[in-house]
Amino acid sequence: AQSVTQLDSQVPVFEEAPVELRCNYSSSVSVYLFWYVQYPNQGLQLLLKYLSGSTLVKGINGFEAEFNKSQTSFHLRKPSVHISDTAEYFCAVMRNTGGFKTIFGAGTRLFVKA
Amino acid sequence: KAGVTQTPRYLIKTRGQQVTLSCSPISGHRSVSWYQQTPGQGLQFLFEYFSETQRNKGNFPGRFSGRQFSNSRSEMNVSTLELGDSALYLCASTAGASHTDTQYFGPGTRLTVL
Repeated sequence: AQSVTQLDSQVPVFEEAPVELRCNYSSSVSVYLFWYVQYPNQGLQLLLKYLSGSTLVKGINGFEAEFNKSQTSFHLRKPSVHISDTAEYFCAVMRNTGGFKTIFGAGTRLFVKA
Repeated sequence: KAGVTQTPRYLIKTRGQQVTLSCSPISGHRSVSWYQQTPGQGLQFLFEYFSETQRNKGNFPGRFSGRQFSNSRSEMNVSTLELGDSALYLCASTAGASHTDTQYFGPGTRLTVL
């Protein structure tokens, strides 16, 4: 069965420090990969997505992610975080299994401290 | 452009009742997807509609149903509510027919079942 594992449930980090949020997936076929952010009392917002091509994907708000097929990973990074980046981040995988379905990871809560 | 709107934002029901949630996509968007978000199960895909047709369905019981109208507005209905149906229900709209087009999420409807 396809699954998405976000390796850290919570990541505390100081402002202006770099951060990496880890995501691994299991799939034997090609997938599309996504990262979303959810601020309190709001819906999800797409940060970036990998469909094909370059394995380094740049998104909004200074985030980027690298697709590593051999390690089946899609880790999210930001070189310098701000207080406003405090939110929940979701990794998601989509593949065609009798219809396109999206599987989400459990989420990683990023807490940026001053 | 106005974003995705969901009504109502909050709802309290009792077991055995039924409920209808509404989603208005971004103007011009033709696809609407529904997701359930709970602390225990995380984000799970419910179903997707495109041009008034259900194009995709997740693994939820038949008590969960939906429909899409000619103006792309969508409703989802849950009959015979159970305590476990308490969740944040998110709706997302997409402009085109491609499954990898960016999804824009609404703020959600928080359903509490007592």
